Amino acid sequence: EDKVVQSPLSLVVHEGDTVTLNCSYEVTNFRSLLWYKQEKKAPTFLFMLTSSGIEKKSGRLSSILDKKELFSILNITATQTGDSAIYLCAVEARHPQGGSNYKLTFGKGTLLTVNP
Amino acid sequence: DAGVTQSPTHLIKTRGQQVTLRCSPKSGHDTVSWYQQALGQGPQFIFQYYEEEERQRGNFPDRFSGHQFPNYSSELNVNALLLGDSALYLCASSLANRPQPQHFGDGTRLSIL
Repeated sequence: EDKVVQSPLSLVVHEGDTVTLNCSYEVTNFRSLLWYKQEKKAPTFLFMLTSSGIEKKSGRLSSILDKKELFSILNITATQTGDSAIYLCAVEARHPQGGSNYKLTFGKGTLLTVNP
Repeated sequence: DAGVTQSPTHLIKTRGQQVTLRCSPKSGHDTVSWYQQALGQGPQFIFQYYEEEERQRGNFPDRFSGHQFPNYSSELNVNALLLGDSALYLCASSLANRPQPQHFGDGTRLSIL
């Protein structure tokens, strides 16, 4: 069974701090790893990673994937109160019977609280 | 460009009742996936619909069923509701055969009394 583990489960920091969120996985038929930010309702897409060692950046956020060690990290520099949210890591895997069907397996998420 | 829309936003039911949740995918998307998110947990995959057929299913009982219509919209039906079915139900849409992220709706908050 596909498995995604995130750590830490919760984190409290002060504005301006840098944080690193971790995600490890065990899946068969891996296609990609995704990071989402969830504030109140819909998870919103941050990054999609398919290749090892290539860092993706968007402003103060960055992420990288290690397909050999089966993990990814999400970094947030100079945190702001608006970064407070649940950060979800998900792995996309092909259906065991093949074809073009992929499903997401999520971790439990990391609850990040940024205090002013 | 409309994103994924779900209805209703909130719903209160009692044990044993049945419920239907609705989802309209993002414009241009043809695949709909449903997830259940209990409090403090990540979303759990329920099933996925493409070309009006259920293509994949997670570890959910047969009380959970769905449908996809020709316009790609979808419904999730849950019968014989249990207290443990209380959760946020999320719909996500994507385009088959494309390595693109799934886009999520705001979800339906289902409370079972």
